[in-house]
Formats: sequence, structure tokens, C-alpha cells
Amino acid sequence: AQSVTQPDIHITVSEGASLELRCNYSYGATPYLFWYVQSPGQGLQLLLKYFSGDTLVQGIKGFEAEFKRSQSSFNLRKPSVHWSDAAEYFCAVPDNYGQNFVFGPGTRLSVLP
Amino acid sequence: DTGVSQDPRHKITKRGQNVTFRCDPISEHNRLYWYRQTLGQGPEFLTYFQNEAQLEKSRLLSDRFSAERPKGSFSTLEIQRTEQGDSAMYLCATGNSNEQFFGPGTRLTVL
Repeated sequence: AQSVTQPDIHITVSEGASLELRCNYSYGATPYLFWYVQSPGQGLQLLLKYFSGDTLVQGIKGFEAEFKRSQSSFNLRKPSVHWSDAAEYFCAVPDNYGQNFVFGPGTRLSVLP
Repeated sequence: DTGVSQDPRHKITKRGQNVTFRCDPISEHNRLYWYRQTLGQGPEFLTYFQNEAQLEKSRLLSDRFSAERPKGSFSTLEIQRTEQGDSAMYLCATGNSNEQFFGPGTRLTVL
């Protein structure tokens, strides 16, 4: 079965600092990969997705992610964090049959002023 | 705003009561998904519809849970005889395996 791990439960960074959130997946073939963000009490918003091609993917709000097949990773990065980026971030892959998504446990990001 | 709406946004109920949630999807999307999210966890798949047909149900969907999508448009999720363990955020999404658009969720608290 597909699975997603996000090793960091909670990360705190200072505003303006760079950010990297880790995601590792277990998948039989080249996966589709997704990052979503969830603000408190809200639904999930898609940040970016990888299907194929260029392994560096650009998303909304200045985020990017890099697919590394050798490491089964799809880490999310942002060069300069803003206070409004404080939220929960989820990595996801489709399930075995491509019918629904399997989500990681999430990483909560706190931003210090 | 993704275009997916859910009602109500919050629901507080007593153990043993029945509750029903509604999801109104993006109109052109044939697939509709229900997920459950407990505190500190990622969403977990419950069930999905292709138009009005319910095609897959997770083992998380006990017999107290039922979902419908009567005309292939909006969907309802009913929980009968609620238990405290049902307290969670219930998320609706539409789309497919390439992309899913999530509603704001319904937060259920069972006292």
C-alpha cells in the first residue's frame, strides 16, 4: 500500500528564514505527488503537484518542491518565510488504484516574528 | 475558495444522536470524496462517488456511516448513533487522482 511519511511534526522558523519540509513516500512506480496547506479550521489548499518531467516544481505562494526518485522524497521549500505561512502542510500521493489520496501526518509550521 | 462548500461548518452533538453533513461540489466534477481528519493527523479516505454511484468505501466507514449522492450533484454523509470517537473534521473534495479540491470541512464534536 502507498504510504507517506513526514518526519517533522512541528517546525519553527523565523520570518525571512528559509524553509524545507520533508516528505518521503512509498510507491510502486513513479508517483504523482502533491503538497497541500491547511490553515487553522480550514480545508486544504493545493500548493503544487508533480506528475512527470522537470523534477523541480513551482507552486503558489513562492513554494517549490523537488522530486528525488533515488531518495523517494518530495521536499517542499521556500527561500523566505512570511508570517502568513504558519499552517499545517501535508504531502500526498494517490492510492494503489489512483482513486483517492493518501496523506502524510502533516508538519505544523510556526513562524516567529 | 475552491468552489466546494460544506454545511454546517461546525456541529456539536450528544453521544447517540444522528448527524448529517452536506457537500456541494464543483459542478463539472464527476468524482466526490469524503475524508475524515482527526487532530494532528492527515485526512483519511472514507468513500468516493463517481456521479451518483458509490464506488469505494474505506474500512473506516463503519455501518453507522452512510453517504449518498442522489443526483450526482451534492452529497450527504450521515453518522448514526454518534460516538465520542467520531469527533473529527469531515472533509469533502471533488476532482480526480490528478487533483482534488477540498471544501472547508465540517468539524464535529460529540459530547
